[in-house]
Amino acid sequence: AQSVTQLDSHVSVSEGTPVLLRCNYSSSYSPSLFWYVQHPNKGLQLLLKYTSAATLVKGINGFEAEFKKSETSFHLTKPSAHMSDAAEYFCVVSDRDGTASKLTFGTGTRLQVTL
Amino acid sequence: DAGVTQSPTHLIKTRGQQVTLRCSPISGHKSVSWYQQVLGQGPQFIFQYYEKEERGRGNFPDRFSARQFPNYSSELNVNALLLGDSALYLCASSLEGRLGYGYTFGSGTRLTVV
Repeated sequence: AQSVTQLDSHVSVSEGTPVLLRCNYSSSYSPSLFWYVQHPNKGLQLLLKYTSAATLVKGINGFEAEFKKSETSFHLTKPSAHMSDAAEYFCVVSDRDGTASKLTFGTGTRLQVTL
Repeated sequence: DAGVTQSPTHLIKTRGQQVTLRCSPISGHKSVSWYQQVLGQGPQFIFQYYEKEERGRGNFPDRFSARQFPNYSSELNVNALLLGDSALYLCASSLEGRLGYGYTFGSGTRLTVV
């Protein structure tokens, strides 16, 4: 089974500074990877996805992620944090479970943005 | 176009009762999946349905069941509720339900079991 590990449970940055949320994956074949964001008391919103095309993936709200096979990483970055970015971020891998296609979530990283 | 809609948004039930949660996927999406998110954790896979057939289920007891209707909407049923079933239940729809396709999530149903 494939899995993802989010290396930080909590990240705090100042508004206007760069954001880095780290994710490593474990996969026996080329994975499909996603980043989702969850604001308090809300559902999940897809930020971006990697499906074996370009290794640098651009998403919504200025976020991007780079797939590095040699490092088995898929870190999420943003050049300049905004207060509205404060939320829970999940690194996710799409995996086959029998005939089902399921999403396996990491444990999440809570991003705090301070003034 | 409407996104994934779930009802109800909040629900309070007593231990031992039964509950039915509903989900309407994005128009044209044929796959619906259900996830359970316990407070402070990432969502866990419960079921996937595609074209009205169960594709798979996660590690959940038989108290959990689901079905998909001809219009691709879906219901999740949980019998004999336990306190530990308190969670946010998320529905996700996908065009084909295959690896690599994006999944769009609804806002969820917050179930509290007392």
